[in-house]
Amino acid sequence: QLQLQESGPGLVKPSETLSLTCTVSGGSMSRSSYHWGWIRQPPGKGLEWFGSIFQSGSTYYNPSLTSRVTISVDTPKNQFSLKLNSVTAADTAVYYCARHSLGGSRDFDIWGQGTLVTVSS
Amino acid sequence: EIVLTQSPGTLSLSPGERATLSCRASQSVSSSYLVWYQQKPGQAPRLLIYGASSRATGIPDRFSGSGSETDFTLTISRLEPEDFAVYYCQYYDSSPLFGPGTKVDIK
Repeated sequence: QLQLQESGPGLVKPSETLSLTCTVSGGSMSRSSYHWGWIRQPPGKGLEWFGSIFQSGSTYYNPSLTSRVTISVDTPKNQFSLKLNSVTAADTAVYYCARHSLGGSRDFDIWGQGTLVTVSS
Repeated sequence: EIVLTQSPGTLSLSPGERATLSCRASQSVSSSYLVWYQQKPGQAPRLLIYGASSRATGIPDRFSGSGSETDFTLTISRLEPEDFAVYYCQYYDSSPLFGPGTKVDIK
């Protein structure tokens, strides 16, 4: 059974770079036709998609965030990562990684449990 | 740019009642890419419905989706205690877009 798990610092200082990793277990990213995405949810608010990546490394990003976001993949480690630079308090959120189907209905069908990242000095 | 609106913002119902949640798109969209998620407090969202009307694996048949063009509906035929949660619709335009959510709470 495929599982995703986010990891990374829970506290980041303003203006610094937020870095998170998602580890995929129970299946190989390199043998998958899925994309892999990052979504965040500020406390008490809704969901915002950051971007998604394919095993080949091809990416596409939310146009409103693209200038600050980098998503990368390490298929031998079965991991993909998110970097968000120049963070502010507005970037405080629970960050989720998820499997992203680009066939069918283009949904996020398997999610990690999420990790809270707080931006504060 | 497509905007998704969900109504009502909060729906207060009792267990056993029927819940009807609306997701409206600002322009006609393909039902193939309309999706619903359920999110309980402290948990990640869970895929409920894809393609506007198909239940995801393991989703009980009390959940159903319908609609087309600009108006889509998630119906929970009889609310169970575990169904009280926030529900989001999502559409894939050129990128994934989420609605603001509807909270279903206990009356």
